[in-house]
Amino acid sequence: ELKVEQNPLFLSMQEGKNYTIYCNYSTTSDRLYWYRQDPGKSLESLFVLLSNGAVKQEGRLMASLDTKARLSTLHITAAVHDLSATYFCAVSPASGAGSYQLTFGKGTKLSVIP
Amino acid sequence: DAGVTQSPTHLIKTRGQQVTLRCSPISGHKSVSWYQQVLGQGPQFIFQYYEKEERGRGNFPDRFSARQFPNYSSELNVNALLLGDSALYLCASSLGYWGQDYEQYFGPGTRLTVT
Repeated sequence: ELKVEQNPLFLSMQEGKNYTIYCNYSTTSDRLYWYRQDPGKSLESLFVLLSNGAVKQEGRLMASLDTKARLSTLHITAAVHDLSATYFCAVSPASGAGSYQLTFGKGTKLSVIP
Repeated sequence: DAGVTQSPTHLIKTRGQQVTLRCSPISGHKSVSWYQQVLGQGPQFIFQYYEKEERGRGNFPDRFSARQFPNYSSELNVNALLLGDSALYLCASSLGYWGQDYEQYFGPGTRLTVT
């Protein structure tokens, strides 16, 4: 059974600071997704990481994937209030039929304080 | 282009009742997946359909069922509702169900409250 663990689950940070959210998963996978969710809203896709060493950046967010360590990180640079949301990582099984069945972590609730 | 649409947006049901939720995928997408998100948790996979056939099922009781229509829209049915079924139900669409078409796009969700 594929398990996904995120930490921390809650993160309160000051504007302008940097921080990293970690996502560990338990079995072989070749796709890792990061989503953002605002309260009462659906999931917004941030990044899809497909291979070992993949790094993607969008604005103040940068995601990376280490498939050997089964670890992905979401790094926040110089946080601003607009980044306050819950961030989820999700993993799909290795390639093949059924590889779209995402297993999500519990999410990291990020609050950026002025 | 329109994104994934779901209906209704909200609904309130009583324990023991039955509910049907609807999803229309992005035009051209042939796969629809359903997820349940209980408050404070990550979404959990319920079903995936592709070309009107079930391609995956999560760890949910038989009270949950789904189907996909020739136009690729989908319905999720839940019978004998329990309080614990209260959740946000999310639909995701994708071009295919395996291989290189890996992007999944989520709809706005249906908020189900069981009283």
